[in-house]
Formats: sequence, structure tokens, C-alpha cells
Amino acid sequence: QVQLLQSGAEVKKPGASVKVSCKASGYTFSSYGLLWVRQAPGQGLEWMGWINTDNGNRNYGQKFQSRVTITTDTSTGTVHMELRSLRSDDTAMYYCARVGGLGGTLDYWGQGTLVTVSS
Amino acid sequence: EIVLTQSPGTLSLSPGERATLSCRASQSVSTSHLGWYQQKPGQAPRLLIYGTSRRATGIPDRFSGSGSETDFTLTISRLEPEDFAVYYCQQYGRSPSWTFGQGTKVEIK
Repeated sequence: QVQLLQSGAEVKKPGASVKVSCKASGYTFSSYGLLWVRQAPGQGLEWMGWINTDNGNRNYGQKFQSRVTITTDTSTGTVHMELRSLRSDDTAMYYCARVGGLGGTLDYWGQGTLVTVSS
Repeated sequence: EIVLTQSPGTLSLSPGERATLSCRASQSVSTSHLGWYQQKPGQAPRLLIYGTSRRATGIPDRFSGSGSETDFTLTISRLEPEDFAVYYCQQYGRSPSWTFGQGTKVEIK
């Protein structure tokens, strides 16, 4: 069965960087893109960026373009999301999700990784 | 950038009642590119509807989606206790990119 397993919770200080991983299993990794969505406490869903796991092409949301990098490791079936220059308002749950096909459907989601930014 | 506006913000209904959730886009959206997700407290979102009206695997038929261009609707025909949650619409755009509505909370009246 398809699974997306994310790395554990992180606590970071303002100005630091965080790297969150998402390990895919149960399907052919390079056949589906993966993306990252975040959710601040009590707030809605916000798209951060996407990666084509076959050729490495990426696209980032305008808000995050200068601070986020998404990479893929096809040898382990893992996608990483690094967010730099953390601020307190980056405190959120970060989710990876699989792009299930044409139409941008997000058919499987990771369990989420809580990133807390606090001095 | 297309903006999705969901209404109402909160819907207070009783089990067995019908729920109608709206998602309005600032520009026309392809029906192939509009989806709905359900999120319960402490859980990741779950795909309900894709391509405006297609139910995802395992989604009961009391959930239905409809709409076109800028107006889309998620209908829950008879609310079950497990349906009380937050619902998000989402559109897929060029580049590619994804946009979500701000969510509608369906709560028990």
C-alpha cells in the first residue's frame, strides 16, 4: 500500500534552517510528483512547492521561493524539504503529498511533521 | 494567481441533514483541476473528490461534487457523525501550482 512516512518533530531557533523528509513506499517513486503543504496552528492549507521525482524539475510558491529547497533522492525514494531563515510564523505542521495524476490530485498524504520555531 | 473563496466559514448542522459547501474561484478553473479534501482534528487531509465530481477510492456516495468555471459545490446528502470536519477545495494551476480555499468547518448543531 502507498505510504508517505515523514521525519519527526523539530524545534528550531529563529534564523535557523530545518530539513524535513518524506519517504515514499508502495509504488514506483519516479512515477508521481510530490509536494509540500504547510498548516499553521488553527489555519488552512498552504502550498509550498513541488518536485518532479523523475527529472527533478521543481516549482515553488512565490511566498517561499527565496527560502525553500525541495530535493529528491531516488535511491531511497525520499523527498526532502529545507526551509531557511526560520521565523516564529513558520511554526506549523508540514505535510508531503503525492500528486496522483492529471489534474493535480493529492491522493496520498504523509502524517505531518510539526516544526516549532521558538527562541 | 487564482484565489478560492469558500463559504460559509462554519456550517452548523445536525446528523442526517444535508450539507452544501461552496467554493468560488477568482478566475475560471478547469473542472479537471478542482478537488475537495476532508480534514479531521490531528489528522492529515484526505482526498474526497477530484475532477470536480469524481469520488476518490472508498469515499461513500453521500459525498458528491459539482460545478464549473468559477462555482463549485460539495454536497453531503445526509451527515453522519464522522463527517463533522473541515473541508477544503483545491485547484491545480499552471507551472504547476496548487491553491487551497480557506476551509469550511462542518460542526454539530
